[in-house]
Amino acid sequence: TQLLEQSPQFLSIQEGENLTVYCNSSSVFSSLQWYRQEPGEGPVLLVTVVTGGEVKKLKRLTFQFGDARKDSSLHITAAQPGDTGLYLCAGEGQYGGSQGNLIFGKGTKLSVKP
Amino acid sequence: NAGVTQTPKFQVLKTGQSMTLQCAQDMNHEYMSWYRQDPGMGLRLIHYSVGAGITDQGEVPNGYNVSRSTTEDFPLRLLSAAPSQTSVYFCASSRSGDRGLWGLEQYFGPGTRLTVT
Repeated sequence: TQLLEQSPQFLSIQEGENLTVYCNSSSVFSSLQWYRQEPGEGPVLLVTVVTGGEVKKLKRLTFQFGDARKDSSLHITAAQPGDTGLYLCAGEGQYGGSQGNLIFGKGTKLSVKP
Repeated sequence: NAGVTQTPKFQVLKTGQSMTLQCAQDMNHEYMSWYRQDPGMGLRLIHYSVGAGITDQGEVPNGYNVSRSTTEDFPLRLLSAAPSQTSVYFCASSRSGDRGLWGLEQYFGPGTRLTVT
């Protein structure tokens, strides 16, 4: 069974601080995505990484896919209260021998205080 | 485009009742999935479909049925509701094609919050 471990589970920081969220597995994934979810809403895709070692930037967010495609990180620079939310990583896995679904980590709940 | 729509947004059922959660997408996506989200458990895959007429089980399929007669619609049926099925249910869709470019990016609906008493 493929699993994705996210850490930390909870993170409470002050506005302007930097933070990193980790997503680790013992399995290889063909692609990995990061989503952000706000209360009462569905997850919204932030980024997809598909190549080992890939780094993508989205304004103050930096995403990295590990060389072996088993882990990923999300770094936020100068966090703002608008960054508050649940961050989920998800890797493309296999059930029943078929691709076409994602395995999700349990999420990191981020709170950024003004 | 409306994207992925789900109805109802909230539902309360009594144990043993059956119901269908509706999901529709207007993006012509081939892949559609159903997840449930529980506190501390993340999102878990219930059933998924790689195209009309094709469905398969995910991680937690027991107690749920699906069918995919059209590309647009992917309803989830609860056969006999149980308190353990109290959860938030999300439907998602993905485009197919060259996933080497974009992986399996999923677009989620707003969710259905289900309570079984």
